[in-house]
Amino acid sequence: KAGVTQTPRYLIKTRGQQVTLSCSPISGHRSVSWYQQTPGQGLQFLFEYFSETQRNKGNFPGRFSGRQFSNSRSEMNVSTLELGDSALYLCASSWTGGGSQPQHFGDGTRLSIL
Amino acid sequence: KQEVTQIPAALSVPEGENLVLNCSFTDSAIYNLQWFRQDPGKGLTSLLLIQSSQREQTSGRLNASLDKSSGRSTLYIAASQPGDSATYLCAVRGSGGSNYKLTFGKGTLLTVNP
Repeated sequence: KAGVTQTPRYLIKTRGQQVTLSCSPISGHRSVSWYQQTPGQGLQFLFEYFSETQRNKGNFPGRFSGRQFSNSRSEMNVSTLELGDSALYLCASSWTGGGSQPQHFGDGTRLSIL
Repeated sequence: KQEVTQIPAALSVPEGENLVLNCSFTDSAIYNLQWFRQDPGKGLTSLLLIQSSQREQTSGRLNASLDKSSGRSTLYIAASQPGDSATYLCAVRGSGGSNYKLTFGKGTLLTVNP
């Protein structure tokens, strides 16, 4: 059974650009969550999608947005990139996002802003 | 606001030693607590999930305990091996609403020396 797949693995952008990251959850999983990981702040929750609807949101500016498609695949978009957006972005999936279910993580997309 | 602290930040032990990693959280109104492992350049692997009503969970050489009232959890690793070298992360899921997300500690970097 394939795991959570994130593309691309590495991305280099410059300030002011925008970027779209993709996440394909494990087959059958309908909940997808996104996290940002930096050395200073650690892992921080961005948002969660379930059945194409955003169900929960972290404390990030509106430049960070996401969506989920009918096949449960999810994309995250960051507009007007800043140097501080350099991070590892992780996606996690579970069946329904219920608290009793462990989340399965992808290997992440490493985003570097020049 | 939930805060999760992990002590120590780094730990180096000889192979074969038993060890304990600590995690504390400020808000005891949690749904569950998870321990994850992260290898360099990789995503997170779920190790153990303890529901708020449980006291401990075991998997192989790993044992995790939870004391919700005191806001503490420990991860015990028996007979450590070099392959256990990784960063170990503790995360708590809040009990509902906007707190339902996972809040992570910054991790303990474990090195097991042969």
